[in-house]
Amino acid sequence: DIQMTQSPSSLSASVGDRVTITCRASQSISSYLNWYQQKPGKAPKLLIYAASSLQSGVPSRFGGSGSGTDFTLTISSLQPEDFATYYCQQSYSVPWTFGQGTKVEIK
Amino acid sequence: QVQLQESGPGLVKPSETLSLTCIVSGGSVSTGSYYWSWIRQPPGKGLEWIGYIYYSGSTNYNPSLKSRVTISEVTSKNQFSLKLSSVTAADTAVYYCARGALSGSAHGSFDYWGQGTLVTVSS
Repeated sequence: DIQMTQSPSSLSASVGDRVTITCRASQSISSYLNWYQQKPGKAPKLLIYAASSLQSGVPSRFGGSGSGTDFTLTISSLQPEDFATYYCQQSYSVPWTFGQGTKVEIK
Repeated sequence: QVQLQESGPGLVKPSETLSLTCIVSGGSVSTGSYYWSWIRQPPGKGLEWIGYIYYSGSTNYNPSLKSRVTISEVTSKNQFSLKLSSVTAADTAVYYCARGALSGSAHGSFDYWGQGTLVTVSS
């Protein structure tokens, strides 16, 4: 199985901050990397697919980059509604696997 | 607008079989365009992909659960189901059904999810 490791596990930030979350795969996954946002009690929401493509309806302050084994999710200016847990997921090979999550909290 | 809705018992006894159904509206389970998946999340923990069904009933399962999992399609009702046998407390989780892209650059990304249903394994 491909292991996905996110860092940090949690972070505290203020509204307006630029936030960066990283995801590392245990082997190359090309650009088959997706990012999700999950709020408490809710299903995950797709933000970014194929490492850098913005899902329809997602605000442009969310951006993704990377290929191979190292990937980044960036929130350019953190908004109150962005406080949530973020997961990366590889869809390069089955079993599809997720990172352990990064919780973004209010500073 | 595609919508998915999980249904099934919220409590299952140890060693019994967990059975859930996902009702799909606004899209067809029978077309060959998507992976129809089950994903679970133990309380306070991360996400685990369980498996999918697509195109004429083809399936793929997580090897960690493969011996206990069956995903099948209910064609006439535009639904698909999950059966997980011999459950233990470790199978307690919120279970989600989701639609995954079959092809293109979005391959394997989940764009629509059900709201999730908590299944507790306890006697």
